[in-house]
Amino acid sequence: NAGVTQTPKFRVLKTGQSMTLLCAQDMNHEYMYWYRQDPGMGLRLIHYSVGEGTTAKGEVPDGYNVSRLKKQNFLLGLESAAPSQTSVYFCASSLRDRTGDTQYFGPGTRLTVL
Amino acid sequence: AQKITQTQPGMFVQEKEAVTLDCTYDTSDPSYGLFWYKQPSSGEMIFLIYQGSYDQQNATEGRYSLNFQKARKSANLVISASQLGDSAMYFCAMRGSSSGNTPLVFGKGTRLSVIA
Repeated sequence: NAGVTQTPKFRVLKTGQSMTLLCAQDMNHEYMYWYRQDPGMGLRLIHYSVGEGTTAKGEVPDGYNVSRLKKQNFLLGLESAAPSQTSVYFCASSLRDRTGDTQYFGPGTRLTVL
Repeated sequence: AQKITQTQPGMFVQEKEAVTLDCTYDTSDPSYGLFWYKQPSSGEMIFLIYQGSYDQQNATEGRYSLNFQKARKSANLVISASQLGDSAMYFCAMRGSSSGNTPLVFGKGTRLSVIA
């Protein structure tokens, strides 16, 4: 039982390049989330998904797209990377969306855009 | 809108002493949940403790306890008998129930340093 995994762990991009971050969970969770963490800002929600085939915008969705083709996977895409997207990206999942449902996090992906 | 405020950017505590990390929240939801996460220097987010707004007793998990004062809208984390391994960033978070699919809202965190 690996929990939540993220691929890759580190990546350096040039401005304008594209990439996809992969999140996978093996806990049969319905809900999955993508956050970014910047110094002094805490975690901010980018996009989330309430089930296979569904996605929704979070607090800071601009410049990102997501897809949830399979229940266990949640992909975050950057079509044209910008230096402002330099950040640490965390994926999380939870069983449901009730107030007491804990979100479990992946180890993070450190992205640098030059 | 929901908001979490952590007013202590950094805290120091002597090893084996207890420490309280402050968290205040703002919400209009009648039902909500409060969470604390630990982020060590390795970067992962580790769930520590949960408190529901209707829970009668304060949550406890080993050396962690949550001092929940509903009227003051505070949910402070208390770590007893601090250890060097407790040095990390600590985030308070909440989610409400006013509408479906409400993700977590995080505070900006408190960096705790435990001194030998």
